[in-house]
Amino acid sequence: DAKTTQPPSMDCAEGRAANLPCNHSTISGNEYVYWYRQIHSQGPQYIIHGLKNNETNEMASLIITEDRKSSTLILPHATLRDTAVYYCIVRLSYQTGANNLFFGTGTRLTVIP
Amino acid sequence: DTGVSQDPRHKITKRGQNVTFRCDPISEHNRLYWYRQTLGQGPEFLTYFQNEAQLEKSRLLSDRFSAERPKGSFSTLEIQRTEQGDSAMYLCASSLPDEKLFFGSGTQLSVL
Repeated sequence: DAKTTQPPSMDCAEGRAANLPCNHSTISGNEYVYWYRQIHSQGPQYIIHGLKNNETNEMASLIITEDRKSSTLILPHATLRDTAVYYCIVRLSYQTGANNLFFGTGTRLTVIP
Repeated sequence: DTGVSQDPRHKITKRGQNVTFRCDPISEHNRLYWYRQTLGQGPEFLTYFQNEAQLEKSRLLSDRFSAERPKGSFSTLEIQRTEQGDSAMYLCASSLPDEKLFFGSGTQLSVL
């Protein structure tokens, strides 16, 4: 699986959009981009994933560049409950079988009141 | 959906003792995963099951570690002759094939 690079930490003001970048320059054509987050003392929680197109769900939006070498997770209106470590993961497509995930160290997002 | 349940939440043991953790996945999920997480690091994959079959094991899973899922439902992770380096959060996750993973809250192990 391709490796990802994320900034170690970011701050965001409550109510503002949080934009979390991820570089995955070695991503291959059949690798998806996944985002999970981990709130203190809890297990990771799935947020969103995508292959080529931008995706949006009730939690966030995922913007993937045209060359797929980077992506941005957007939390449109950050709340204090969004303070967490956010992991960007790339993994092979569903058709390869095992869908275990390989995490890096993520970005620690702190939402400031 | 009652979520993935792990027991115990915390375990303190002395070096050299054996410990066992239990994971109850979401009932319809046939895939179950174990991860380990140390302070400041992301979770590291240990092993996964499809039904009762253990299909993949990480090199992190030394011979002191054994995982089972005897009836394809709950799973246990046993660590024999614990060492201080085994201190970590042990996370369990479950999923349907080719679907997103749902994680439990983990078991925090402290080896004294």
